[in-house]
Amino acid sequence: EVVLTQSPATLSLSPGERATLSCRASQSVANYLAWYQQKPGQAPRLLVYDASYRATGIPARFSGSGSGTDFTLTISSLEPEDFAVYYCQQRNNWPRTFGQGTKVEIK
Amino acid sequence: QVQLVQSGAEVKKPGASVKVSCRLSGYTLTELSMHWVRQAPGKGLEWMGGIDPEDGRIVYAQKFQDRLTMTEDTKTDTAYMELRSLRSEDTAVYYCSFLLHAAGWYKEWGQGTLVTVSS
Repeated sequence: EVVLTQSPATLSLSPGERATLSCRASQSVANYLAWYQQKPGQAPRLLVYDASYRATGIPARFSGSGSGTDFTLTISSLEPEDFAVYYCQQRNNWPRTFGQGTKVEIK
Repeated sequence: QVQLVQSGAEVKKPGASVKVSCRLSGYTLTELSMHWVRQAPGKGLEWMGGIDPEDGRIVYAQKFQDRLTMTEDTKTDTAYMELRSLRSEDTAVYYCSFLLHAAGWYKEWGQGTLVTVSS
């Protein structure tokens, strides 16, 4: 199966700062990668799909890039509501797999 | 408006089975492919299984191959996930979600069902 490794595990930043999250795949997933945001007690929310397309209603401060094995989610300027856990997920291969998550916390 | 409504929390003893339901509205089950994802307390998301939109086969994650069964009732648009031979490590919130097509992603999710396995 495709293993997705996210880094860092935790990112401590202040509101207004830029966040850069990484997701590395154990083999190429082409551009078939998505990013989800999850807050405590809530289901995940789709942010970015096919590596770089924002889902409906997602603010422009969220952007995704990458292809093959290396992907990045960038939050250009953190808002208070952006502090959460972020997961990447691939759909290039079965089984579908998720990364272990990156927690973005308030510094 | 699409909505996925899951059944309520369950407490089970080790070795027992649990069956979680996910009722769909806004679509019919025949229009989409249902998937299940779980999350142990304080842990990440774990894909369990789902229907391949391209050919309709059910794909299970290897670790659940022998214990997991996904079924559907198209008359009530309700999907079911049954996990057998429960152990404490199966304590988790179980989510249903779906794909509209092979190029789809998990845009809508159920509210989650907490399954607690404890003696």
